[in-house]
Amino acid sequence: TQLLEQSPQFLSIQEGENLTVYCNSSSVFSSLQWYRQEPGEGPVLLVTVVTGGEVKKLKRLTFQFGDARKDSSLHITAAQPGDTGLYLCAGGLQVWSGSARQLTFGSGTQLTVLP
Amino acid sequence: ETGVTQSPTHLIKTRGQQVTLRCSSQSGHNTVSWYQQALGQGPQFIFQYYREEENGRGNFPPRFSGLQFPNYSSELNVNALELDDSALYLCASSLDHSRETQYFGPGTRLLVL
Repeated sequence: TQLLEQSPQFLSIQEGENLTVYCNSSSVFSSLQWYRQEPGEGPVLLVTVVTGGEVKKLKRLTFQFGDARKDSSLHITAAQPGDTGLYLCAGGLQVWSGSARQLTFGSGTQLTVLP
Repeated sequence: ETGVTQSPTHLIKTRGQQVTLRCSSQSGHNTVSWYQQALGQGPQFIFQYYREEENGRGNFPPRFSGLQFPNYSSELNVNALELDDSALYLCASSLDHSRETQYFGPGTRLLVL
C-alpha cells in the first residue's frame, strides 16, 4: 500500500503547455519534498515545504503544501523539453523504530515534454 | 563542496552471494540514509545511520545491514542475495538526523541473477 499517491503516473505534453502533478495522502507529514530524477541517476532535490498552505516558486515551477499537510502539488508553467524526467514527492516522517526522520516516497510521475 | 558519492555504479551478483555498497556523505553532513528503488517505483527507506549507530529502520529483513564510519561515510551490506534485491540502491545524506531534507547520490545499480 502506497502511503503517498501521485497522479498522474504518466504525462506527455507539448512544449509551452502548463501541467500540474498531485501528491496525496491520508497521513500528515512534517515536511514535503519534491525531487526530479533522470534515468539511472539519483533524485535531485527541487524544494522542501514545511508549513501548511506554504507556496514556493522556483522559476517556472510552483509548489504548494496543503493546509492540513497531507497533500501537495507541483505546477509547471510553459513546460520545456528540459523539464522531462521523473518527478517524485516525498513526505517526512519519524521512524517508529528510532529517532530517524525518513522520507516516504510516492511512485512518481513520468513527465515527457515534446518539442 | 563535494556532493554524495556512491560506489560502485553497477554490480552484477548471483543469488545467494553477498554485496557491499559504499557511500560518502556530502561535506558537513553527519547522517546517512539508504533507500532501495525498484524499477518503476519510488525509493523505499532501508535504514539510517547517525553517529555510527543505526538510527531507524524500514521494513527490510536483517540480511540488510550497514555501517557508518567516523568520517560519516557508510556501507550497505546485503547477505544471501535474492532476485528481488535487484534495484537501484540510493544513499542520501542530511545535515543532522533531525533534518528531513536529504541529498541523494547517483546510486548503485545491482542486478542479481
